[in-house]
Amino acid sequence: KQEVTQIPAALSVPEGENLVLNCSFTDSAIYNLQWFRQDPGKGLTSLLLIQSSQREQTSGRLNASLDKSSGRSTLYIAASQPGDSATYLCAVRSGTDKLIFGTGTRLQVFP
Amino acid sequence: GAGVSQTPSNKVTEKGKYVELRCDPISGHTALYWYRQSLGQGPEFLIYFQGTGAADDSGLPNDRFFAVRPEGSVSTLKIQRTERGDSAVYLCASSLSSSGGAHTQYFGPGTRLTVL
Repeated sequence: KQEVTQIPAALSVPEGENLVLNCSFTDSAIYNLQWFRQDPGKGLTSLLLIQSSQREQTSGRLNASLDKSSGRSTLYIAASQPGDSATYLCAVRSGTDKLIFGTGTRLQVFP
Repeated sequence: GAGVSQTPSNKVTEKGKYVELRCDPISGHTALYWYRQSLGQGPEFLIYFQGTGAADDSGLPNDRFFAVRPEGSVSTLKIQRTERGDSAVYLCASSLSSSGGAHTQYFGPGTRLTVL
């Protein structure tokens, strides 16, 4: 059974820092991995999707990497801003078309 | 509308009552998914549709939960005899298709269900 873990559970940093959020999964047979952002009381916003054949994806200040063999992904956020404060969720798609989510990393960036 | 919409945004009901939650996917998206998110947890899969048929309902917790998508667009999640443990945010997502897992799932804002 696929299990997804995210570390750390919470993170508080000053504005301007570069961050790394970690995601690990137990079954390496995945179709893709997706990173989402969730603001309080809101739905999920897709940030990056990495196909199983890819190693990384970039969008603006965000870079996500995927090491399928070791069951790991990282989300790198450059030059963090207070507007980046949110919960970040990773999810893997394997076997079927449903997403298996981690429990998220709650990020707070203070000015 | 450009995104996935869900109604109502909030629903408060009493234990034992019946509720319906509605999801309107992005136009043209053939795949539709329901997830449930409890406080402090990631979303958990409930069911997904490819067109009108439920392709995978393995996440439905018990037979009190049922979902339909009669015309391949709007979907309704139905919960009978609600229990306090059903309280959660119910999220809906849609994607272009479910084949091969290549497509991004786009999520709605969710329905917050509270069972008193």
